[in-house]
Amino acid sequence: GESVGLHLPTLSVQEGDNSIINCAYSNSASDYFIWYKQESGKGPQFIIDIRSNMDKRQGQRVTVLLNKTVKHLSLQIAATQPGDSAVYFCAEYGAGNNRKLIWGLGTSLAVNP
Amino acid sequence: EAQVTQNPRYLITVTGKKLTVTCSQNMNHEYMSWYRQDPGLGLRQIYYSMNVEVTDKGDVPEGYKVSRKEKRNFPLILESPSPNQTSLYFCASSSGTGAGYTFGSGTRLTVV
Repeated sequence: GESVGLHLPTLSVQEGDNSIINCAYSNSASDYFIWYKQESGKGPQFIIDIRSNMDKRQGQRVTVLLNKTVKHLSLQIAATQPGDSAVYFCAEYGAGNNRKLIWGLGTSLAVNP
Repeated sequence: EAQVTQNPRYLITVTGKKLTVTCSQNMNHEYMSWYRQDPGLGLRQIYYSMNVEVTDKGDVPEGYKVSRKEKRNFPLILESPSPNQTSLYFCASSSGTGAGYTFGSGTRLTVV
């Protein structure tokens, strides 16, 4: 597959453990945040989103936490599986109406069997 | 199946030879966008379109053109490709404000 990023922060976890991927966002006026997963050779895939009027949102095996005070976003993956190995991106909608996403550089998650 | 379709998946071309990368979505999305992805630089927006006949520059528009004559199609045009445009390109679409993107599978372009 194609490498989507060199020298990315890397998180290595054991299969079955919980994973926490962190993201510091840049714009205090952002009001919508999204996590994407990108597997090797594929385009980014939507995982979960959260709006700024919430501080936690849960999906299937994933939870996103938002701390607006320190402009921090995290993605928690429960019972991590080998299929979770990918690069994870956080993205924020900046203030304004052009729907411009501001992307983080990504974190590579490696799941060890 | 709801999807964004890009073609081709892989392309090797020579400097200066005009090329077009096609993008089509079947979700009736208003908003479409092109990104390039390079190691260490993440995803950078090239152009976006908020609706038919409405396009605007992203962060790295130099050397690219786009058009949006129909809602479903958003082709990316490189009039005179150069080696620094060697990259992985993604087309994406979304519905309304605050919606997540659906991405295509990517086009790996090499300009020699």
